[in-house]
Amino acid sequence: QSVLTQPPSVSAAPGQKVTISCSGSSSNIGNNYVSWYQQLPGTAPKLLIYENNKRPSGIPDRFSGSKSGTSATLGITGLQTGDEADYYCGTWDSSLSALVVFGGGTKLTVL
Amino acid sequence: EVQLVQSGAEVKKPGESLKISCKGSGYSFTSYWIGWVRQMPGKGLEWMGIIYPGDSDTRYSPSFQGQVTISADKSISTAYLQWSSLKASDTAMYYCARLWSFNWFDPWGQGTLVTVSS
Repeated sequence: QSVLTQPPSVSAAPGQKVTISCSGSSSNIGNNYVSWYQQLPGTAPKLLIYENNKRPSGIPDRFSGSKSGTSATLGITGLQTGDEADYYCGTWDSSLSALVVFGGGTKLTVL
Repeated sequence: EVQLVQSGAEVKKPGESLKISCKGSGYSFTSYWIGWVRQMPGKGLEWMGIIYPGDSDTRYSPSFQGQVTISADKSISTAYLQWSSLKASDTAMYYCARLWSFNWFDPWGQGTLVTVSS
C-alpha cells in the first residue's frame, strides 16, 4: 500500500482532458514539492513535472501540475493515443518511514 | 547529454549474490545523489535508497535496510546495488535515477531486470 494515493485508472477520448489526483499528508505533499512521472509501456519512468508545476525542457504544455494542501493533480489536455501510460506522483517525506515516496500509479487509457 | 546507463539483465538462483551498476555521464557525478527504485512485475515504483557519490553518504528506505547494499565508485562515475543472498521475491526491474534538490528524479537509467528462479 503506497503512502500517496492515486486512482488506479482513468480514461478519456482523444482530444479530451483528464486529471489524475495524488493524495498524501502533511509529512509529505503538505510540506514538500511534488513531481510526476510518465512510464510508457516497457520503458523507464520519465520526469513530467517537478516542483509541483514546472515542466522540464521538452515536455509539452499539454501537461500541467498543481498542488493544494496535501493533494496534487496532474492535468493532461488534448489527449493523444501516445499518452497511454502509467503516471506516478512522488515527493519527499519528512516522517521516519521513508525519505522518498511514490503514489501507486494511475493507468491512463485513451479510448 | 546527461545519461545513466545500467548494466544488463541478470538471471540468478536463490541464495546467489549479485551487484548491478549504474554509470553516469555528462555531468559531475560526485555532485548529485543517485537513487535506486524497484518495480516488481506489474506493480508500482518503490524507493530503495540514495547515495551521494561525493562522500558515499547513503540513506535506505526502512523496507530495504539490511536487504541490499548501495555503494558508489566515484573514480568511474558508477553506483551499485547489491544483494548477498537473492530471493525469488527480488525478481523485479531496478532503476537508478539522479536526484535533484531532494525533490525529483531525472534522468532515469534504462533499468536492469533481475530474475531470481531455481
